[in-house]
Amino acid sequence: DTGVSQNPRHKITKRGQNVTFRCDPISEHNRLYWYRQTLGQGPEFLTYFQNEAQLEKSRLLSDRFSAERPKGSFSTLEIQRTEQGDSAMYLCASSLTGATEAFFGQGTRLTVV
Amino acid sequence: GESVGLHLPTLSVQEGDNSIINCAYSNSASDYFIWYKQESGKGPQFIIDIRSNMDKRQGQRVTVLLNKTVKHLSLQIAATQPGDSAVYFCASREDTGRRALTFGSGTRLQVQP
Repeated sequence: DTGVSQNPRHKITKRGQNVTFRCDPISEHNRLYWYRQTLGQGPEFLTYFQNEAQLEKSRLLSDRFSAERPKGSFSTLEIQRTEQGDSAMYLCASSLTGATEAFFGQGTRLTVV
Repeated sequence: GESVGLHLPTLSVQEGDNSIINCAYSNSASDYFIWYKQESGKGPQFIIDIRSNMDKRQGQRVTVLLNKTVKHLSLQIAATQPGDSAVYFCASREDTGRRALTFGSGTRLQVQP
């Protein structure tokens, strides 16, 4: 499978716990994006990497959220001290420099109980 | 801030008919627009895109029309099939060099056999 891969697909956690999600972009895609999607809504931009550099961050990305892409390949999104409002689908997408469209993964659905 | 909205939350069509999904945007700085299809439990799937220097672009069974004067774009699906049933999102990006896409809230397309 050469698409964007996200793990885990589902995560249930207790409020206050930390969670980490992983995204493996399409090979050779140097741009990587994280979005969050709540039920019935469109995805909302969280952050963007070009290679290992985090170039854009949304105001939605509170201090409890941190994203990394240490080697310019896979990325992780960590949420600390999860809250019920963090329950959502977390989507990762990737694209090539110079290309316009971004390709999305299947997402990680987070449920905070 | 920028907003992208869809006129109708649900569109029901008969199999074989043509479908038209509409979208309005508010940011005059938007220069790139994209339509995604999202099936239940999956990430958004790229359908077609268009730049602001065009007013029409055609793909396989799909056409996107852009009217910059009234900040409106539409997605036309010819000979709609049951497999087209999904939620459709329009998204836009500014011409400021930012990479973030702003999504609308989606239109659910239901194809009746």
